[in-house]
This record gives sequence, C-alpha cells and structure tokens, in this order.
Amino acid sequence: LAKTTQPISMDSYEGQEVNITCSHNNIATNDYITWYQQFPSQGPRFIIQGYKTKVTNEVASLFIPADRKSSTLSLPRVSLSDTAVYYCLVAGPGGATNKLIFGTGTLLAVQP
Amino acid sequence: DVKVTQSSRYLVKRTGEKVFLECVQDMDHENMFWYRQDPGLGLRLIYFSYDVKMKEKGDIPEGYSVSREKKERFSLILESASTNQTSMYLCASSYRVSGTNTEAFFGQGTRLTVV
Repeated sequence: LAKTTQPISMDSYEGQEVNITCSHNNIATNDYITWYQQFPSQGPRFIIQGYKTKVTNEVASLFIPADRKSSTLSLPRVSLSDTAVYYCLVAGPGGATNKLIFGTGTLLAVQP
Repeated sequence: DVKVTQSSRYLVKRTGEKVFLECVQDMDHENMFWYRQDPGLGLRLIYFSYDVKMKEKGDIPEGYSVSREKKERFSLILESASTNQTSMYLCASSYRVSGTNTEAFFGQGTRLTVV
C-alpha cells in the first residue's frame, strides 16, 4: 500500500486559505486519495476523497495532478475551529486493499 | 447516523491481564479497523477485517489479536497486557464497495492504562 508524506505542522491565520500537500509516489492505479480531520480527544472525521483532477465539497477542495503522485487539500478561509490534525491516506477499492493506513498527519494551527 | 460504539471510554488493567476491547457498529459495514494513537506517532493500524472471520495485520499487530465472529462486532484482544500498550485505542468501520473507497466512521476511543 502506498505510503504518504505530509508536513508535520503548519501555521495560519483566520481568514486565510490553507493548502496542505501530501506526497504518495507509489500510488497504485486503482487507489483513491482520502483526507481526514481529527480534533483532540475525538476520532478522525472524513473530509474529502478523490481519484484525479479536482473535487470540491462544502468543506474543502482536493487537487490531484495528472501523475497522482501528490495531492493538495485546500481549506478556504480557515477559522480557529479548523485547528486540527489532517491526515492524507491512499487505499484501494476492495477487499484487503481497503486497509486504511494513517500517517502522523499535519497539525494545522490557526491563530487569530 | 452511523454509530460505532466502543465498550469502554476509560480502562485500567494490570500487567499480564488479558484485555478485551469491544467495538460494535450499526451500519452493516463490511470493514472494521483497530488503531492505536500515541503522541507524535499518529494513528497506527493494528488489525483490519474486511469480512466476518477475515483479518489482515496492520503495521503493529504484535501483542494483539482480533476476533470477528459477527459482522457488527470486532474485538481487540491483548493477550497479556504490558505497560507499553498503554494508549488510546480507536475502532472504525466502513463499507466495502467495489470500484470505490468510502469513508470510515470512528468510535469515541478507549483510553487504556496498563499498570
């Protein structure tokens, strides 16, 4: 299964757009890219998932270049409540390849 | 709403005890997962099950075993608890759909302390 690499931490200010990039050089053809958010003392929560190009939902956008070896989670106009750890995962479509491997994630600290 | 319920929020056990952590989901999910989370190490997968009686080792299976006799229940077993197994344990579940991956839902976690 593809391993992912993300920055350990990032700082931002309220109202800014934040982009967190994840590297997954060994991604397989059928793998999907998924991002989760985790607040202290809670389990992770799904944010967004994509296969290629761009995906957008009410929370974030996910940009995936053509070679799929990286992806970027974009959070528009962050607020203090977006302070959390963000995880990037890649996993396959069925059976044993559905195994979800989290890394250490990126700690995003949003300041006033 | 999907509900993933872990049997205990806090647990204190003695070294050498056999410990059972139970997880139940109510959404008929095929996949279930057990993770442990330690400061600075993120979430590490212990075991994964993609069907009843089916299991796959994760990154850190040593010292643990699992049981999946029914679809809705996934148990994590510490055969002989040790102090280095003091941690936060998180259970999750998800659908297995051919052709796509789907989001996983997490329980509230069990903070286990082994003394």
